[in-house]
Amino acid sequence: EDQVTQSPEALRLQEGESSSLNCSYTVSGLRGLFWYRQDPGKGPEFLFTLYSAGEEKEKERLKATLTKKESFLHITAPKPEDSATYLCAVRFSSGGSYIPTFGRGTSLIVHP
Amino acid sequence: GAGVSQSPSNKVTEKGKDVELRCDPISGHTALYWYRQSLGQGLEFLIYFQGNSAPDKSGLPSDRFSAERTGGSVSTLTIQRTQQEDSAVYLCASSQGLAGGLEQFFGPGTRLTVL
Repeated sequence: EDQVTQSPEALRLQEGESSSLNCSYTVSGLRGLFWYRQDPGKGPEFLFTLYSAGEEKEKERLKATLTKKESFLHITAPKPEDSATYLCAVRFSSGGSYIPTFGRGTSLIVHP
Repeated sequence: GAGVSQSPSNKVTEKGKDVELRCDPISGHTALYWYRQSLGQGLEFLIYFQGNSAPDKSGLPSDRFSAERTGGSVSTLTIQRTQQEDSAVYLCASSQGLAGGLEQFFGPGTRLTVL
């Protein structure tokens, strides 16, 4: 059973059509939730870190929010250049591990 | 400043050969991670180095895989007797580790193809 689940697996939007990506986790003891963007053929690029429920971070058209069991990445009025795979990673407190668990990602395509 | 670099960017090898993949982390980052990413799959954790501590090797899929980190900086991932199922993109990441933020900064990856 996956500890970190991202949905949907794939999302197609028209330019300007706002939407949200979801990252949910099943293990308690969150010690950080991370969002990354990955373009084809490149390594993931860090976007946000969230540590506690209620926290929000924003960058341009992206806003990340966190509740006790999930995080949302809201994309407002997306542009074609926002097309990428968005990865979520969660660090749990179990054993003091600094190794985050990654979800499988959401592939976003924004059509002009 | 320079980001994380990896070399080579692409490696094609024959089944049974050994390969070495290199990672240069961001200067001053004490934590270094290796991941594997297969087509359409998520990131699979392989190994984690933190400072001078013993590495966490819990993600290595078999004893054909090994890694070292010299002088707390450059790391090399070695795959012995490569198999076709080893074909994937190998990603390296570094972070400030225990002393700072845990967000990871990734290199561009090495695409390994085993024929």
